[in-house]
Formats: sequence, C-alpha cells, structure tokens
Amino acid sequence: ELKVEQNPLFLSMQEGKNYTIYCNYSTTSDRLYWYRQDPGKSLESLFVLLSNGAVKQEGRLMASLDTKARLSTLHITAAVHDLSATYFCAVDAGNTPLVFGKGTRLSVIA
Amino acid sequence: DAGITQSPRHKVTETGTPVTLRCHQTENHRYMYWYRQDPGHGLRLIHYSYGVKDTDKGEVSDGYSVSRSKTEDFLLTLESATSSQTSVYFCAISEPVDNTEAFFGQGTRLTVV
Repeated sequence: ELKVEQNPLFLSMQEGKNYTIYCNYSTTSDRLYWYRQDPGKSLESLFVLLSNGAVKQEGRLMASLDTKARLSTLHITAAVHDLSATYFCAVDAGNTPLVFGKGTRLSVIA
Repeated sequence: DAGITQSPRHKVTETGTPVTLRCHQTENHRYMYWYRQDPGHGLRLIHYSYGVKDTDKGEVSDGYSVSRSKTEDFLLTLESATSSQTSVYFCAISEPVDNTEAFFGQGTRLTVV
C-alpha cells in the first residue's frame, strides 16, 4: 500500500526566509504532483514531476524529485505573504489512484 | 481551467437521509475520483472510476456508493447520511495517457445535522 508522508505539517516562516517541505513515499513511482490550496478553495496544480531528477520552478517555488530516495522537495525562496496556503504532494504509483500527503499548512509572517 | 463542475456546492441534510453529489466533466477524461477532506486528514479517496460502469473503492468507502453511467458524470451517494460524513467533498479527473495531473472541482461542503 502506497503511503505518502509530508513534513512539516505546519510551518510558520518569516518573510524573506527560505525553507523546504519534504514529501516521502513508500513505493516505486516516477510521477509526483504538488498542489496548493487556499482556505475555502479547491486544489490548484503547481508542479508535475515525471522522472527522476526532474526539477520545476515557478517564481519563488522550486520542486524536485528523487525517485531513488522516494523523495520530493518543495523549496521556498525568500517567502512572501502571498505564499501562505496549504501545500499537498500527491503520488501516482501507476494503475492506482493518486495518494495525497496530509498537507503542509504554510503561514508567512512579516 | 479544466471543465469540471460539482453540484451542489453546499448542502445541509438530516441524519438518515440519502444524499447524492454530482460531478460533471467536459474533458472526456477516463478517470474520475471522489475525495473527502477533513482537518488533519488531508484528502482521502472514497471511490474512483476508470471508465463507464467501472468503479472501485478507496480507503474510506463505507457508507458511500457511486455510479458512472456516462463518461462525463460521476455520482456519489451517501445512502443514509451520518454526522461523520460532514465534510468537504472534492471530485477530480485525470487522463493518465496525457501525463498530466489530476484536476479538481470546486468542492461540495456537506453538513449532516
């Protein structure tokens, strides 16, 4: 059974600082997705990672995938308030539905 | 934006009554999913479908049933609603051959009183 663990689950960070969210998963997969969710809203796709070593960047966010370590990271550079949201990783193990981590609630404070 | 619509968006119902939530897509994606989201649990899969009349259970399927008679529609039924089924329900669609992510509907907030 595929298990996906994110950490931390809660993250309070100061504006301008850097931090990384981790997503570990338990079985072989080379497809991983990152989503963002604002309070009361649906999930919005951020990144699609489809191979070992994949790296995607959008603004202050950068995601990477290491399939050998079964690890993806979401790195935040010079955080700003607008990045406050909950971030989910989701893993596709092939022929099974996506399994989500519990989410990381990020709060960026001045 | 992916063409995926959930209805209703909000519903309050009484314990013991049946409730049906609808998910409609215009993308012709094969896979459709129902998730529920509760604080501290992230998203948990209820049921999913990989084609018309092809469905399977997820990790929290007890008390729920689904039907997919057309590619575009995926219905979730709570046969006899209980307070523990108060939650936000999300429908999602995906097409694995496209190598793209799953796209989510706007969600349905269901309250069982």
